[in-house]
Amino acid sequence: DAMVIQNPRYQVTQFGKPVTLSCSQTLNHNVMYWYQQKSSQAPKLLFHYYDKDFNNEADTPDNFQSRRPNTSFCFLDIRSPGLGDAAMYLCATSRLTRENEQFFGPGTRLTVL
Amino acid sequence: GQQLNQSPQSMFIQEGEDVSMNCTSSSIFNTWLWYKQDPGEGPVLLIALYKAGELTSNGRLTAQFGITRKDSFLNISASIPSDVGIYFCAGQLNTGFQKLVFGTGTRLLVSP
Repeated sequence: DAMVIQNPRYQVTQFGKPVTLSCSQTLNHNVMYWYQQKSSQAPKLLFHYYDKDFNNEADTPDNFQSRRPNTSFCFLDIRSPGLGDAAMYLCATSRLTRENEQFFGPGTRLTVL
Repeated sequence: GQQLNQSPQSMFIQEGEDVSMNCTSSSIFNTWLWYKQDPGEGPVLLIALYKAGELTSNGRLTAQFGITRKDSFLNISASIPSDVGIYFCAGQLNTGFQKLVFGTGTRLLVSP
């Protein structure tokens, strides 16, 4: 059974057209993360939620926003996508305990035309 | 941002061979994780290590948490074609929120 689900798996948008990516989890984990991954590179953390507390990484552009309406769902909003925002976007979840492995979803591949 | 030094960058081996890759850091970590990522998919957790010196196996995979807490290695024995992918190590910092720091990745290719 899928534990971290991302929709859609592939998203095409136009330059400057807002886009929303979604993530849901069945693990009841209290922490959810959004990562950006470009080709052959390691994932780069954009932000995370600990329950409803939002934590932005210092170098995450303002163009990226996130919402977490409840424990199970988290959304990534890209307000005005640029060509440089084309990437794989990964959602992950974890408990906030010492042994808090992060579990990743399958990712959404974003193409910006 | 900070990244761990992971080596080798890539490996091309024959099916049946053993593989070894490692990660080193200038910082101490309290947890080491090893992930495998197939093309177009998210990383899948292979092994988690929580204690310095710990040696953990998962089938043909074995990983160790270095005694200095600044390194970790992953071994794959008797490789098979489905081992192909990118392997990432990740360390968790020992301060505040436990953010993951990823290695640069090892791309593994296995020839049948």
